[in-house]
Formats: sequence, C-alpha cells, structure tokens
Amino acid sequence: QVQLQESGPGLVRPSETLSLTCTVSGGSISSDIYYWAWIRQPPGKGLEWVGNVFYSGSTDYSPSLMSRVSILVDTSKNQFSLRLNRVTAADTAVYFCARWLRGYNRNCFDSWGQGTLVTVSS
Amino acid sequence: DIVMTQSPLSLPVTPGEPASISCRSSQTLLHSNGNDYLNWYLQRPGQSPQLLIYLGSIRASGVPDRFSGSGSGIDFTLRISRVEAEDIGVYYCMQALQIPYAFGQGTTLEI
Repeated sequence: QVQLQESGPGLVRPSETLSLTCTVSGGSISSDIYYWAWIRQPPGKGLEWVGNVFYSGSTDYSPSLMSRVSILVDTSKNQFSLRLNRVTAADTAVYFCARWLRGYNRNCFDSWGQGTLVTVSS
Repeated sequence: DIVMTQSPLSLPVTPGEPASISCRSSQTLLHSNGNDYLNWYLQRPGQSPQLLIYLGSIRASGVPDRFSGSGSGIDFTLRISRVEAEDIGVYYCMQALQIPYAFGQGTTLEI
C-alpha cells in the first residue's frame, strides 16, 4: 500500500520561499496512471488544490498561485517537491501531498499524506 | 473556474439516523463519456482527508455501504443510511472534471 510523507520546515519568514518534499513509499512515482499533487488547508478552513506533477515533469498549477509556485519530481528518489515563493501570512496552512489516480473512470485523490503545518511568520 | 457549494455547512445528527449532504456545481460535471466527475471526501478530526466516493456514486475501496452518492450534472448528494460515531468529521465534495480542481466549503457532521 502506498504511503506519502511530507517533510520540510515548519516556519518560514515572510517574503521567503516555502519548500516541502513528499516521499512516496510502497509504489513507484514513475507510474503513468498517477499524478502527484499538493493540496493545502489554512487553519480552520477548507481544502485548496495547489498543483500536480506527472513523473515526466509536466505540471499543472492553480491559477491563483501560478506566479509563485513550482512542483518538481525526482524519480530517482521517489519524491516530489513544492516550492512557493514570496510567502505571506496567507500561505500559512497544513500542506498535504496526495496521489491523483487518473483515467476516464477514476480521477480522484486516492491516497494522502498526513500533512505538515507551515507557518509564515517573522 | 468551477465553484462548488455545499449545504448545510453544519449537520447535527443522531447515531442510527440517516444524514444527507448536498453539493452543487456552478457548471455541469457530466463529461461526454457519461461520467460525472464528482468526488466525496471525509476528513476526520486531526486526520487527512480520505476518499469516500468517486464518479459521483462509486464507493472507494473499504468504504462501508451505508455511504452512497447520487446525482448528475450540477446537483449531487451524499447519504449516510445510519450514522455511526466514527462518521463525525468534515465532508467535502470536489469537482474532478477540469483544472483547477475545486472543493466545496465542507460540511461538519456532529453528533
């Protein structure tokens, strides 16, 4: 059974860059039936999709974050990562990594990491 | 972009009784292939979300059959036939038709 685990700093200063890594175990990140995603949840609020990456490196991003976000994949380490530039307090959230099962008879986030809280504060 | 709207936002329930959550999309989620790309997730307190339903009505692996999804186009419903204590949490619908994927505001089920 696949497992996803987020890692990275829990505190980031305003205007700096948020960097997180998701390590995938129990399955290959290079499968062509999955995308790999970041989703965030501000404290006490709902879920917001941030973006996806395919093992080939192709990406899709939320339009509201596109100017500041990049998602990269490292197939040799079975990891993918999130970088969010020029952060503000509004970027404070629990960040989840998740697996997107693609296909005309699927299209769903079928596995999630436990999430990691990132606080933006000086 | 597609906007998802859930109701109610808070739902007090009694164990053993049924419960129902509605979700409405700003655009049809019915694809030309006949599938409705609507998912339901449950986020229990302190946990990450888990998939309950995909394609509007198909239960994910391991999901009890007291959960059912219905609807098509823009209107969808999640029903719990008999609520159990372990069902408390926040339920989210999500459109999976097009990017950017979007979640509803969430419905808190409380006993």
